[in-house]
Amino acid sequence: DAGVIQSPRHEVTEMGQEVTLRCKPISGHDYLFWYRQTMMRGLELLIYFNNNVPIDDSGMPEDRFSAKMPNASFSTLKIQPSEPRDSAVYFCASRWDRRGDTQYFGPGTRLTVL
Amino acid sequence: GENVEQHPSTLSVQEGDSAVIKCTYSDSASNYFPWYKQELGKRPQLIIDIRSNVGEKKDQRIAVTLNKTAKHFSLHITETQPEDSAVYFCAASRAAGNKLTFGGGTRVLVKP
Repeated sequence: DAGVIQSPRHEVTEMGQEVTLRCKPISGHDYLFWYRQTMMRGLELLIYFNNNVPIDDSGMPEDRFSAKMPNASFSTLKIQPSEPRDSAVYFCASRWDRRGDTQYFGPGTRLTVL
Repeated sequence: GENVEQHPSTLSVQEGDSAVIKCTYSDSASNYFPWYKQELGKRPQLIIDIRSNVGEKKDQRIAVTLNKTAKHFSLHITETQPEDSAVYFCAASRAAGNKLTFGGGTRVLVKP
């Protein structure tokens, strides 16, 4: 299995631009999580899905952030408009409920907003 | 919501010595406690986890202990090796698979 796939791996954009991060979970996994990691705030959960349905988005910082999961093999996290304080590493993770509790993280997307 | 505090924030040990990282949590309903290791520039990877019905769990040089009454759990690494150098995160959640709340991380440096 290829593991969780994220793209792009690095993104540099200017303030005000729209940014879209992509994630492909491990095939068969029914939970998908989006995390953000910064030095100041550490690792924080933004939103998670179960069977493509958003379950908890209480970690989404504000309306500029949105996430979708149109099917079991694809999810996006969008920031519009982006701001310098959004600069962080964004991780996607997935899990299969029947195989236990381990969340498998993707390689992350390092976002820099200038 | 859940709050997880982790100490120390940095830990330097001599190769071969033991390392201990401690975490406390606030939500008495939490019952799943994983530990993740993150090497520089890499993704977090699960190294061990424990559930609230177990007091201790071991996997080779790594062990985790849980004290539900005091709401704290600890990671123990014995016979540390340079490849143990990384940032370690504890986490807690009410039910396995649901939202994890992470501690702030501990940067461990094993000096040869």
